[in-house]
Amino acid sequence: AQRVTQPEKLLSVFKGAPVELKCNYSYSGSPELFWYVQYSRQRLQLLLRHISRESIKGFTADLNKGETSFHLKKPFAQEEDSAMYYCALRGTYKYIFGTGTRLKVLA
Amino acid sequence: NAGVTQTPKFQVLKTGQSMTLQCAQDMNHEYMSWYRQDPGMGLRLIHYSVGAGITDQGEVPNGYNVSRSTTEDFPLRLLSAAPSQTSVYFCASRPGTGVGQPQHFGDGTRLSIL
Repeated sequence: AQRVTQPEKLLSVFKGAPVELKCNYSYSGSPELFWYVQYSRQRLQLLLRHISRESIKGFTADLNKGETSFHLKKPFAQEEDSAMYYCALRGTYKYIFGTGTRLKVLA
Repeated sequence: NAGVTQTPKFQVLKTGQSMTLQCAQDMNHEYMSWYRQDPGMGLRLIHYSVGAGITDQGEVPNGYNVSRSTTEDFPLRLLSAAPSQTSVYFCASRPGTGVGQPQHFGDGTRLSIL
């Protein structure tokens, strides 16, 4: 079965603290994974894709095939990082999204 | 490019009414999808299309119809609105081929059914 699991509904951290948003997946082939971010009442925007191995707004994510994980990390959280974060897996014809994690960065 | 455009942005309906949510993209993307977003449930796929004339059901298709007569447009029809369909609806599109191609989302339609 193709599945994306984000175990945390809400993650609260203080400004300047490290952040890790967890994402685990289930997929029989070679996965394509993405992180999307949704700021308050806005559209979902692409944050990262594993194939690019990029760092966007200080966030990175490494695909770990052994642990079937694609956790999103940032060493020092900023208040403007407060948003909803979705991990997504590209299936054959469609994307499978996790249930999302709301990140709150406290001053 | 406007990207993915959804109309209307907000709508209030009475139970039993029907309506169509519009979605248009100007990127010549083959694949288009409709999602609903509900608190604690993330994004759930309603219907999707892999090209003009081709549609298929997602996770939660009941109560919704779609058609894809052109590459650009992918309207979502609520046949007889129910309070359980109160949600935020997002349309998305992406190219049909190419590794690492992300989905592009519209701004969403907030729909309330009374």
